[in-house]
Amino acid sequence: GAVVSQHPSWVICKSGTSVKIECRSLDFQATTMFWYRQFPKQSLMLMATSNEGSKATYEQGVEKDKFLINHASLTLSTLTVTSAHPEDSSFYICSAREPSGRAFNEQFFGPGTRLTVL
Amino acid sequence: QKEVEQNSGPLSVPEGAIASLNCTYSDRGSQSFFWYRQYSGKSPELIMFIYSNGDKEDGRFTAQLNKASQYVSLLIRDSQPSDSATYLCAVDPQGAQKLVFGQGTRLTINP
Repeated sequence: GAVVSQHPSWVICKSGTSVKIECRSLDFQATTMFWYRQFPKQSLMLMATSNEGSKATYEQGVEKDKFLINHASLTLSTLTVTSAHPEDSSFYICSAREPSGRAFNEQFFGPGTRLTVL
Repeated sequence: QKEVEQNSGPLSVPEGAIASLNCTYSDRGSQSFFWYRQYSGKSPELIMFIYSNGDKEDGRFTAQLNKASQYVSLLIRDSQPSDSATYLCAVDPQGAQKLVFGQGTRLTINP
């Protein structure tokens, strides 16, 4: 089946530094990937839709200059949290849409990255 | 009104019983409906999807869709303690090219 990986699985950083999270589709090409954020005991919140070769589409209220998304290839999207602050601490999850999936918008999720900003 | 609504629970069900999870959505043009399971500290995993009115069965799971009433449900038969998780309903609004998730229902199966 469709497998999506994320790296790193967890990261601790100091306030003010930048953190890059990678999302890879391992056995399929993903023209579209999605980035979500999830705070404890809350649901998934879509941050942005990442399209290969074009600019990401950000959801309302998400700062595009703070959360930089690059989707340079059909198997890799990256999310960079710039100048991270403690309030950015969260569980970041990516997903990828597999073009030949059983349902058009079926998404396969990566295992997530837990970010802690001190 | 939220686009996708679920009862946040917690929902407690005895082992072996049927767990019933419900979800309503606001966009009548929605095409596909998904149920994901999420264990604590893990990312969601797809249980099943449905896009036609009626029932769809997969093992112990049955998804039910009623587009006229704009609700989708998930039944889990012979509930097991390992089914204890948060269940997320996701909807594909017409033309949105993305999924909208409900807030999730926390399910606990009591041995």
